[in-house]
Amino acid sequence: KNEVEQSPQNLTAQEGEFITINCSYSVGISALHWLQQHPGGGIVSLFMLSSGKKKHGRLIATINIQEKHSSLHITASHPRDSAVYICAALQGGSEKLVFGKGTKLTVNP
Amino acid sequence: DTGVSQNPRHKITKRGQNVTFRCDPISEHNRLYWYRQTLGQGPEFLTYFQNEAQLEKSRLLSDRFSAERPKGSFSTLEIQRTEQGDSAMYLCAGKGEGSAFFGQGTRLTVV
Repeated sequence: KNEVEQSPQNLTAQEGEFITINCSYSVGISALHWLQQHPGGGIVSLFMLSSGKKKHGRLIATINIQEKHSSLHITASHPRDSAVYICAALQGGSEKLVFGKGTKLTVNP
Repeated sequence: DTGVSQNPRHKITKRGQNVTFRCDPISEHNRLYWYRQTLGQGPEFLTYFQNEAQLEKSRLLSDRFSAERPKGSFSTLEIQRTEQGDSAMYLCAGKGEGSAFFGQGTRLTVV
């Protein structure tokens, strides 16, 4: 079992739909990252959070430390949101990020 | 553009050859990370520098791999005697006090 699990692995949505991607982790963490990776490999950091909730535009990230669970939500999804979304946990006491396998999101027009 | 640049973007090499990749983070990034990503998988941690000191190395980093950050700014990752299993995307990330910023990666193909 991976230390960081994401679900679903693949997600197809219609433009305008509300998207939720889930991340569960089994390690103790000091922070959790949500990342976006486009075809070609470039990774963009969306959020780094250690508690509560953060919002940036149409993106919302939440984390529940007690349940070791985080979610990434996309409101009013758009085809340009199509990408792989990766959850990465920063292990407590370490600088090592442990990555999930990613969720491939496809938003159709 | 995250400000972290990696060169080259693509590298095709013959098995047995040595390759070297470079990462230039933002000047404020005292921490620098190397990751490897194979198809369909999330990135895997390889090594981490704080300034010029290499503080953590994954067991994935065999003795054919070496990384340096001589002046605490840019970093190089060298793979000696490349094998087909080394084919992957090699990602570099820089970090200050906030989020990590990733480069575009170097895609290595060993033929």
